[in-house]
Amino acid sequence: QSVLTQPPSVSAAPGQTVTISCSGSSSNIGNNFVSWYQHLPGTAPKLLIYDNNRRPSGIPDRFSGSKSGTSATLGITGLQTGDEADYYCGTWDNSLSAVVFGGGTKLTVL
Amino acid sequence: QVQVLESGPGLVKPSETLSLTCTVSGGSISGYYWSWIRQPPGKGLEWIGDFSNSGSTNYNASLKSRVTILIDTSKSQFSLMLSSVTAADTAVYYCARGYTGVVDATRRLWFDSWGQGTLVTVSS
Repeated sequence: QSVLTQPPSVSAAPGQTVTISCSGSSSNIGNNFVSWYQHLPGTAPKLLIYDNNRRPSGIPDRFSGSKSGTSATLGITGLQTGDEADYYCGTWDNSLSAVVFGGGTKLTVL
Repeated sequence: QVQVLESGPGLVKPSETLSLTCTVSGGSISGYYWSWIRQPPGKGLEWIGDFSNSGSTNYNASLKSRVTILIDTSKSQFSLMLSSVTAADTAVYYCARGYTGVVDATRRLWFDSWGQGTLVTVSS
């Protein structure tokens, strides 16, 4: 069981917008920055968002991140079939003194 | 563009030690934060441990008694050893370069370069 809670799956049609939630506690999300990763099985995970809402160079602005209290959200607009992947949130947990991840959310673009 | 590549045996017998190496190219291994992360079949990501640019290591408490992480800057390699493995240690193992720092008591942490991962199966 993961420390951070994500929905197992989300789906939407091409062109639409989807959000993926990541719920934690005061020992992790509530007091630390969140990052998000896109992972296609068999490939290297890719950093999408760091510091809650900052995008590395090369990541399109269709991807956005936000944080409120002990929850974080990844938003993807203008969905494309190429966005089908697993998405993970991650942060530091002060109580565990460890990096923690969500269980992952599988995005299906219908 | 830094590249990281994991290597090691794909099959390890129960009770033996799993040993993996991460080779870094296209950039320096020194001065960065490095971690091993794994993904058991059908499950999410699990952080194993790290080697920070201060020279210290930090391990997941659930694995601490069995894990050793080392860095060899002369070879640009970062290694993982996990002893007394069981079937529960079967997973895809990733090495990743990241950044960590503290601002106003808030931890910044992310991983910006990952390897493609290597599947390790524990079976007799």
